[in-house]
Amino acid sequence: KNQVEQSPQSLIILEGKNCTLQCNYTVSPFSNLRWYKQDTGRGPVSLTIMTFSENTKSNGRYTATLDADTKQSSLHITASQLSDSASYICVVSFILTGGGNKLTFGTGTQLKVEL
Amino acid sequence: DADVTQTPRNRITKTGKRIMLECSQTKGHDRMYWYRQDPGLGLRLIYYSFDVKDINKGEISDGYSVSRQAQAKFSLSLESAIPNQTALYFCATSRDTSTDTQYFGPGTRLTVL
Repeated sequence: KNQVEQSPQSLIILEGKNCTLQCNYTVSPFSNLRWYKQDTGRGPVSLTIMTFSENTKSNGRYTATLDADTKQSSLHITASQLSDSASYICVVSFILTGGGNKLTFGTGTQLKVEL
Repeated sequence: DADVTQTPRNRITKTGKRIMLECSQTKGHDRMYWYRQDPGLGLRLIYYSFDVKDINKGEISDGYSVSRQAQAKFSLSLESAIPNQTALYFCATSRDTSTDTQYFGPGTRLTVL
């Protein structure tokens, strides 16, 4: 069964600190991996997308890494800000037999940044 | 989020009622999707459409139906709502490439009593 597991489930850090969120997946055959940020009461917003051949992608203070061999990804947030408080969702796309892609969503890591 | 809008944003209804959730987009995307989000679970795909009049079932389509009469609009219906359909519903759009980003609406919080 194709699955996406994220850790930790929740995390509290102080403003200005760095943190790393983890995503492990068993999706196969792999197409691409995305990280989304979801603020409370809002829809998810894309941060990064990586295909099989990419092992790192940055978007400002967000840096995602991908190890397709071990099926692991991480999202590193640098110099955290209060506005980083949100749920971070890992989404893995796999190729369907007969064509097309299907997205499998992780349950998210709830990050809270405090003063 | 302003490019993808959902109405209503909140709805409380009773078991057995028919409910329609609307999604509109100004991004000009061909592909549209309906998801539901429940606490402790990842988003799950209900239905998706790659073009006008094109309808495809997702992983949890039972109890739901959709309509895509125009490129910009994709509506989700619950013919006879039941309490376990209480959830947060999201509409999303994307262009016609498999690796393209999905853009989500702000969500509709539906409560079925």
